[in-house]
Amino acid sequence: KNQVEQSPQSLIILEGKNCTLQCNYTVSPFSNLRWYKQDTGRGPVSLTIMTFSENTKSNGRYTATLDADTKQSSLHITASQLSDSASYICVVIGDKNQAGTALIFGKGTTLSVSS
Amino acid sequence: DTGVSQDPRHKITKRGQNVTFRCDPISEHNRLYWYRQTLGQGPEFLTYFQNEAQLEKSRLLSDRFSAERPKGSFSTLEIQRTEQGDSAMYLCASSLGSGVNEQFFGPGTRLTVL
Repeated sequence: KNQVEQSPQSLIILEGKNCTLQCNYTVSPFSNLRWYKQDTGRGPVSLTIMTFSENTKSNGRYTATLDADTKQSSLHITASQLSDSASYICVVIGDKNQAGTALIFGKGTTLSVSS
Repeated sequence: DTGVSQDPRHKITKRGQNVTFRCDPISEHNRLYWYRQTLGQGPEFLTYFQNEAQLEKSRLLSDRFSAERPKGSFSTLEIQRTEQGDSAMYLCASSLGSGVNEQFFGPGTRLTVL
């Protein structure tokens, strides 16, 4: 069964600290992996998109890594800010010919950054 | 702001009533998706359109749900005879081209069924 598991479920860190969120998947075939940020009560916003051949991709203070062999991805946030408080969702795209059901969403990690 | 808009942002209704939501995608995007998201969960796929054609529907889309995209631009999602279990955030997303290209999500419509 295609699944995306994220850990931890929730995380609290102090402003200015770094953190790493994990995503493990059992999706086959694999097309690409995306990280989204979702503020409370808002829709998800894309942070990074990585294909099978990409190991790392950065977007400002966000850096995503992908190990397609172990089927693991991580999202590292550097020098956290209060505005980073949100849910971070890992999405794995499987069979790209199935546009709807190809997207397998994780449940997200809720990050709270405190001052 | 991703360029995808949804209306209304919030809807409170009584059980048994019908509700309709609207999504306006990014204008040049040919694909439009509907998702449902409950608290603490990731979005769940409901259905998607390519232009005006509804190409895929999830088994989550019961016969009380219907979606349309009559002119290949905006889309509506109607829920008939709402149930308390329908309470959720309903998200719309759009993308350009074929395949599973990057999706841009709207802000969602929060439905509460009393």
